Amino acid sequence: ELKVEQNPLFLSMQEGKNYTIYCNYSTTSDRLYWYRQDPGKSLESLFVLLSNGAVKQEGRLMASLDTKARLSTLHITAAVHDLSATYFCAVLLPSGTYKYIFGTGTRLKVLA
Amino acid sequence: DAGVTQSPTHLIKTRGQHVTLRCSPISGHKSVSWYQQVLGQGPQFIFQYYEKEERGRGNFPDRFSARQFPNYSSELNVNALLLGDSALYLCASSLGIGNTGELFFGEGSRLTVL
Repeated sequence: ELKVEQNPLFLSMQEGKNYTIYCNYSTTSDRLYWYRQDPGKSLESLFVLLSNGAVKQEGRLMASLDTKARLSTLHITAAVHDLSATYFCAVLLPSGTYKYIFGTGTRLKVLA
Repeated sequence: DAGVTQSPTHLIKTRGQHVTLRCSPISGHKSVSWYQQVLGQGPQFIFQYYEKEERGRGNFPDRFSARQFPNYSSELNVNALLLGDSALYLCASSLGIGNTGELFFGEGSRLTVL
């Protein structure tokens, strides 16, 4: 069964610092998604990565996908307090299935 | 345009009862999926419907069932509620796998089972 693991699970960082969140998955897939969830809220789509080598950037966040290594990264540049949230990666199972497997989540807290 | 809408937003039930949760997808989206999110965990896949047909089912007991209507809205039903069914139930809509497969989530229905 597909497993999607994120690390770290918890991340506390100072404003202005850089950090990377890692998402490893255990089976072949060429579609990976990143979502953000604020406490008590729903999930907001951040990035859609559809092929090996895909890189997307939005503001202080940049996501990349390496399908051969089964690894996606979410890089945070010069963190600000507003980025505090839980970040999930999700992998779409291959072979025409419609099943998405979400990672364990990374809870990010940016300290002022 | 309206996003994904879910109802009710909060509800409290007792063990053994039944619950129906409702979801309206974004206009033009034909795919609806349901997820269960227990506090502190990632969403767990329950069902996916596309063009009114079930296209995927997660590892949930038969107490969980769902359907999609001709207008693409959907219902999730849970029978014989257990304490462990307490969770945030999320509905997501998408254009379908033939597109990017990006999911758009509703605000969720928070179920508490006492």
